[in-house]
Amino acid sequence: DARVTQTPRHKVTEMGQEVTMRCQPILGHNTVFWYRQTMMQGLELLAYFRNRAPLDDSGMPKDRFSAEMPDATLATLKIQPSEPRDSAVYFCASGLRVADTQYFGPGTRLTVL
Amino acid sequence: AQSVTQLGSHVSVSEGALVLLRCNYSSSVPPYLFWYVQYPNQGLQLLLKYTTGATLVKGINGFEAEFKKSETSFHLTKPSAHMSDAAEYFCAVSEGQAGTALIFGKGTTLSVSS
Repeated sequence: DARVTQTPRHKVTEMGQEVTMRCQPILGHNTVFWYRQTMMQGLELLAYFRNRAPLDDSGMPKDRFSAEMPDATLATLKIQPSEPRDSAVYFCASGLRVADTQYFGPGTRLTVL
Repeated sequence: AQSVTQLGSHVSVSEGALVLLRCNYSSSVPPYLFWYVQYPNQGLQLLLKYTTGATLVKGINGFEAEFKKSETSFHLTKPSAHMSDAAEYFCAVSEGQAGTALIFGKGTTLSVSS
Protein backbone atom coordinates (compact mmCIF):
# COMPACT_ATOMS: atom_id res chain seq x y z
CA ASP A 1 0.00 0.00 0.00
CA ALA A 2 1.95 3.00 -1.30
CA ARG A 3 1.75 6.07 0.92
CA VAL A 4 3.30 9.48 1.33
CA THR A 5 5.35 9.60 4.51
CA GLN A 6 6.21 12.68 6.52
CA THR A 7 8.63 13.20 9.38
CA PRO A 8 8.46 14.28 12.08
CA ARG A 9 4.77 13.85 12.85
CA HIS A 10 4.97 16.38 15.67
CA LYS A 11 7.45 19.15 16.34
CA VAL A 12 7.56 21.64 19.19
CA THR A 13 10.21 24.30 18.97
CA GLU A 14 11.08 27.72 20.29
CA MET A 15 10.73 30.90 18.31
CA GLY A 16 13.84 31.61 16.25
CA GLN A 17 14.84 27.97 15.79
CA GLU A 18 15.21 26.28 12.41
CA VAL A 19 12.61 23.66 11.53
CA THR A 20 13.01 21.05 8.82
CA MET A 21 10.13 18.88 7.68
CA ARG A 22 10.65 15.92 5.37
CA CYS A 23 8.43 14.14 2.90
CA GLN A 24 8.88 10.93 0.96
CA PRO A 25 6.51 10.91 -2.02
CA ILE A 26 4.98 7.76 -3.42
CA LEU A 27 7.51 5.96 -5.58
CA GLY A 28 7.08 6.99 -9.20
CA HIS A 29 5.22 10.20 -8.44
CA ASN A 30 7.05 13.16 -9.99
CA THR A 31 4.90 15.97 -8.60
CA VAL A 32 5.14 17.08 -4.97
CA PHE A 33 3.09 19.68 -3.15
CA TRP A 34 3.46 21.40 0.23
CA TYR A 35 0.41 22.73 2.08
CA ARG A 36 -0.20 24.44 5.40
CA GLN A 37 -3.46 24.02 7.31
CA THR A 38 -4.70 26.24 10.12
CA MET A 39 -8.12 26.84 11.62
CA MET A 40 -8.08 30.47 10.52
CA GLN A 41 -6.72 30.17 6.98
CA GLY A 42 -7.75 26.65 6.09
CA LEU A 43 -5.64 24.75 3.55
CA GLU A 44 -3.00 26.88 1.81
CA LEU A 45 -0.78 25.76 -1.06
CA LEU A 46 2.78 26.79 -0.29
CA ALA A 47 4.78 25.36 -3.20
CA TYR A 48 4.96 22.51 -5.68
CA PHE A 49 7.55 20.70 -7.73
CA ARG A 50 7.57 18.66 -10.89
CA ASN A 51 10.51 16.41 -11.65
CA ARG A 52 12.27 18.00 -8.65
CA ALA A 53 12.09 21.49 -10.18
CA PRO A 54 10.03 24.16 -8.38
CA LEU A 55 7.03 25.18 -10.47
CA ASP A 56 5.35 27.60 -8.10
CA ASP A 57 6.28 28.85 -4.65
CA SER A 58 4.14 31.97 -4.65
CA GLY A 59 2.24 30.81 -1.58
CA MET A 60 5.35 30.63 0.53
CA PRO A 61 6.79 33.45 2.68
CA LYS A 62 10.12 33.88 0.92
CA ASP A 63 12.05 35.44 3.72
CA ARG A 64 11.88 32.47 6.06
CA PHE A 65 10.57 29.45 4.15
CA SER A 66 12.43 27.33 1.64
CA ALA A 67 11.48 24.12 -0.15
CA GLU A 68 13.74 21.73 -2.01
CA MET A 69 13.84 18.27 -3.53
CA PRO A 70 17.38 16.95 -3.09
CA ASP A 71 16.36 13.80 -4.92
CA ALA A 72 13.24 12.13 -6.26
CA THR A 73 12.52 10.38 -2.97
CA LEU A 74 12.85 13.35 -0.63
CA ALA A 75 11.24 16.77 -0.37
CA THR A 76 12.07 19.20 2.43
CA LEU A 77 10.42 22.29 3.82
CA LYS A 78 12.53 24.52 6.05
CA ILE A 79 11.56 27.46 8.21
CA GLN A 80 14.35 29.69 9.49
CA PRO A 81 13.78 31.44 11.80
CA SER A 82 10.49 30.03 13.00
CA GLU A 83 7.79 32.25 14.51
CA PRO A 84 4.68 31.43 16.58
CA ARG A 85 2.46 32.29 13.59
CA ASP A 86 4.05 29.34 11.73
CA SER A 87 2.26 26.95 14.08
CA ALA A 88 0.12 24.76 11.82
CA VAL A 89 -0.16 21.32 10.28
CA TYR A 90 2.04 20.99 7.21
CA PHE A 91 1.02 18.46 4.58
CA CYS A 92 2.96 17.00 1.73
CA ALA A 93 1.14 15.45 -1.23
CA SER A 94 2.37 13.70 -4.34
CA GLY A 95 0.90 12.79 -7.71
CA LEU A 96 1.58 11.92 -11.32
CA ARG A 97 0.35 15.19 -12.81
CA VAL A 98 -0.03 18.69 -11.46
CA ALA A 99 -3.73 18.90 -12.29
CA ASP A 100 -4.74 15.41 -11.20
CA THR A 101 -5.16 13.42 -8.00
CA GLN A 102 -2.94 14.31 -5.08
CA TYR A 103 -2.13 11.76 -2.39
CA PHE A 104 -1.62 13.35 1.00
CA GLY A 105 0.71 12.40 3.80
CA PRO A 106 -0.37 12.37 7.45
CA GLY A 107 1.07 15.81 8.13
CA THR A 108 3.58 17.39 10.50
CA ARG A 109 2.01 19.27 13.39
CA LEU A 110 4.32 22.21 14.19
CA THR A 111 4.07 24.24 17.37
CA VAL A 112 6.33 27.26 17.73
CA LEU A 113 6.45 28.63 21.26
CA ALA B 1 -8.29 31.02 -13.37
CA GLN B 2 -10.36 28.52 -11.48
CA SER B 3 -12.10 28.85 -8.13
CA VAL B 4 -14.33 26.75 -5.90
CA THR B 5 -17.00 27.62 -3.36
CA GLN B 6 -18.39 25.25 -0.77
CA LEU B 7 -21.75 26.38 0.51
CA GLY B 8 -22.07 25.87 4.23
CA SER B 9 -19.07 25.50 6.48
CA HIS B 10 -20.99 23.12 8.73
CA VAL B 11 -23.70 20.58 7.91
CA SER B 12 -25.48 18.46 10.51
CA VAL B 13 -27.56 15.38 9.71
CA SER B 14 -29.07 12.49 11.60
CA GLU B 15 -27.81 8.96 11.13
CA GLY B 16 -29.64 7.43 8.17
CA ALA B 17 -30.48 10.80 6.61
CA LEU B 18 -29.39 12.04 3.21
CA VAL B 19 -26.06 13.81 3.06
CA LEU B 20 -25.76 16.72 0.62
CA LEU B 21 -22.61 18.84 0.51
CA ARG B 22 -22.61 21.63 -2.02
CA CYS B 23 -19.78 22.72 -4.27
CA ASN B 24 -19.78 25.27 -7.07
CA TYR B 25 -16.80 26.03 -9.26
CA SER B 26 -15.60 28.37 -11.95
CA SER B 27 -13.17 27.41 -14.66
CA SER B 28 -12.24 28.82 -18.04
CA VAL B 29 -11.65 25.35 -19.48
CA PRO B 30 -13.26 21.94 -18.83
CA PRO B 31 -12.52 21.25 -15.18
CA TYR B 32 -11.30 18.30 -13.24
CA LEU B 33 -13.31 18.10 -10.00
CA PHE B 34 -12.49 16.31 -6.77
CA TRP B 35 -13.92 15.58 -3.35
CA TYR B 36 -11.58 14.79 -0.50
CA VAL B 37 -12.35 13.77 3.09
CA GLN B 38 -10.26 14.54 6.15
CA TYR B 39 -10.74 12.67 9.42
CA PRO B 40 -9.34 14.18 12.62
CA ASN B 41 -5.55 14.18 12.79
CA GLN B 42 -5.20 12.69 9.32
CA GLY B 43 -4.32 13.86 5.84
CA LEU B 44 -6.84 14.37 3.06
CA GLN B 45 -8.09 11.26 1.30
CA LEU B 46 -9.62 11.17 -2.17
CA LEU B 47 -13.32 10.29 -2.16
CA LEU B 48 -13.99 10.62 -5.88
CA LYS B 49 -13.10 12.65 -8.94
CA TYR B 50 -14.49 13.70 -12.29
CA THR B 51 -12.28 14.27 -15.29
CA THR B 52 -14.26 13.35 -18.41
CA GLY B 53 -17.06 11.01 -19.42
CA ALA B 54 -19.94 9.98 -17.20
CA THR B 55 -21.14 12.92 -15.15
CA LEU B 56 -22.30 10.83 -12.19
CA VAL B 57 -19.25 9.67 -10.33
CA LYS B 58 -19.26 7.05 -7.60
CA GLY B 59 -16.65 7.06 -4.89
CA ILE B 60 -15.67 5.25 -1.74
CA ASN B 61 -17.87 4.78 1.32
CA GLY B 62 -21.10 5.10 -0.68
CA PHE B 63 -20.58 8.70 -1.77
CA GLU B 64 -21.32 10.00 -5.23
CA ALA B 65 -21.25 13.35 -7.02
CA GLU B 66 -22.73 14.68 -10.23
CA PHE B 67 -21.01 17.11 -12.55
CA LYS B 68 -23.55 19.64 -13.82
CA LYS B 69 -21.93 21.95 -16.32
CA SER B 70 -24.97 24.20 -16.72
CA GLU B 71 -25.05 24.82 -12.97
CA THR B 72 -21.24 24.78 -12.50
CA SER B 73 -21.81 22.42 -9.61
CA PHE B 74 -20.35 19.19 -8.26
CA HIS B 75 -22.43 18.39 -5.17
CA LEU B 76 -21.56 15.39 -3.00
CA THR B 77 -24.32 13.07 -1.82
CA LYS B 78 -24.80 9.91 0.20
CA PRO B 79 -28.25 8.36 0.63
CA SER B 80 -27.83 7.35 4.26
CA ALA B 81 -25.37 8.90 6.70
CA HIS B 82 -23.33 6.81 9.13
CA MET B 83 -21.68 8.05 12.29
CA SER B 84 -18.34 7.25 10.69
CA ASP B 85 -19.01 9.86 7.97
CA ALA B 86 -18.39 12.68 10.44
CA ALA B 87 -15.37 14.50 9.03
CA GLU B 88 -14.35 17.53 7.02
CA TYR B 89 -14.97 17.45 3.28
CA PHE B 90 -13.12 19.45 0.68
CA CYS B 91 -14.11 20.13 -2.91
CA ALA B 92 -11.32 20.96 -5.35
CA VAL B 93 -11.04 22.02 -9.00
CA SER B 94 -8.23 22.07 -11.50
CA GLU B 95 -8.03 23.08 -15.14
CA GLY B 96 -7.05 19.59 -16.17
CA GLN B 97 -5.94 20.16 -19.73
CA ALA B 98 -4.19 23.36 -18.82
CA GLY B 99 -2.23 21.54 -16.14
CA THR B 100 -2.93 23.90 -13.26
CA ALA B 101 -2.78 22.72 -9.67
CA LEU B 102 -5.86 21.91 -7.63
CA ILE B 103 -7.65 24.75 -5.90
CA PHE B 104 -9.36 23.61 -2.70
CA GLY B 105 -12.51 24.98 -1.14
CA LYS B 106 -12.60 26.03 2.49
CA GLY B 107 -14.16 22.77 3.57
CA THR B 108 -17.46 21.64 5.07
CA THR B 109 -17.58 19.91 8.43
CA LEU B 110 -20.17 17.14 8.50
CA SER B 111 -21.64 16.17 11.87
CA VAL B 112 -23.77 13.05 12.23
CA SER B 113 -26.01 12.58 15.23
CA SER B 114 -27.64 9.37 16.42
